[in-house]
Amino acid sequence: EAGVAQSPRYKIIEKRQSVAFWCNPISGHATLYWYQQILGQGPKLLIQFQNNGVVDDSQLPKDRFSAERLKGVDSTLKIQPAKLEDSAVYLCASSAAVVQGEAFFGQGTRLTVV
Amino acid sequence: GQQLNQSPQSMFIQEGEDVSMNCTSSSIFNTWLWYKQEPGEGPVLLIALYKAGELTSNGRLTAQFGITRKDSFLNISASIPSDVGIYFCAPWAGNQFYFGTGTSLTVIP
Repeated sequence: EAGVAQSPRYKIIEKRQSVAFWCNPISGHATLYWYQQILGQGPKLLIQFQNNGVVDDSQLPKDRFSAERLKGVDSTLKIQPAKLEDSAVYLCASSAAVVQGEAFFGQGTRLTVV
Repeated sequence: GQQLNQSPQSMFIQEGEDVSMNCTSSSIFNTWLWYKQEPGEGPVLLIALYKAGELTSNGRLTAQFGITRKDSFLNISASIPSDVGIYFCAPWAGNQFYFGTGTSLTVIP
C-alpha cells in the first residue's frame, strides 16, 4: 500500500515570497491533516479535512495560510507571504476514520525562509 | 489548549538497556497513540491504545493507557541502535491529535 506522498521535500524561499506544498493521501482515506513542526517541537495541527470539507482550521493563520482539498483527495497548503517564523517542516497525514483514527504521515516538506 | 508533559526530554542509553518514557496530561483522553520520528522523516505510528488500563505490545515495545485516562507510558526492551529517534505521545480528543514535546532517544552501541 502506497503511503502519504508529499512534495517538494525541501524548499528555500525569501521572506514575503509565496510557497505551496502538495499532499496525496493514502487511497481511500477520508481525513487529511496538515501539521506544522518547528524544530525541537511536536507537530501542531494547522487544518483538518474530512473529504473536501474543513473540520478544524482554528490554528491556521488565515491571513497568510490557505489550504484546499478539491475532490476530497489531494490537498495543497499555501503560504503567502512567508515570514521567517514559518520555517518548519510541514507534515501531511491521512486517516481512514475521523473518530479515533490512526493517522499516517508523509515525509514532510522542510521549508526554510531566509 | 491541551497541556501535555512528556518525559524525559532526552535519554542516552547503552545498547541492550530497557527504556521507559511517559506522557501526562491535565485532560482526559479516549485514545493514546505513540509515534516515532527519525531525522528527515514523518512520524511513524508504533502503538495505539483505546481503553483505560489497556496494555499493548508491539515486538519490544509495550505501552499502557493510564487508568485515569490522563497518562500513558511507553517501554522499549533490549534497545538496539535503530531505536534512535524522537518518540511522541499523541492522545486523541474530540477530532484531533495533540502531540507531546517528544522524548529524544540515543542508543550507544
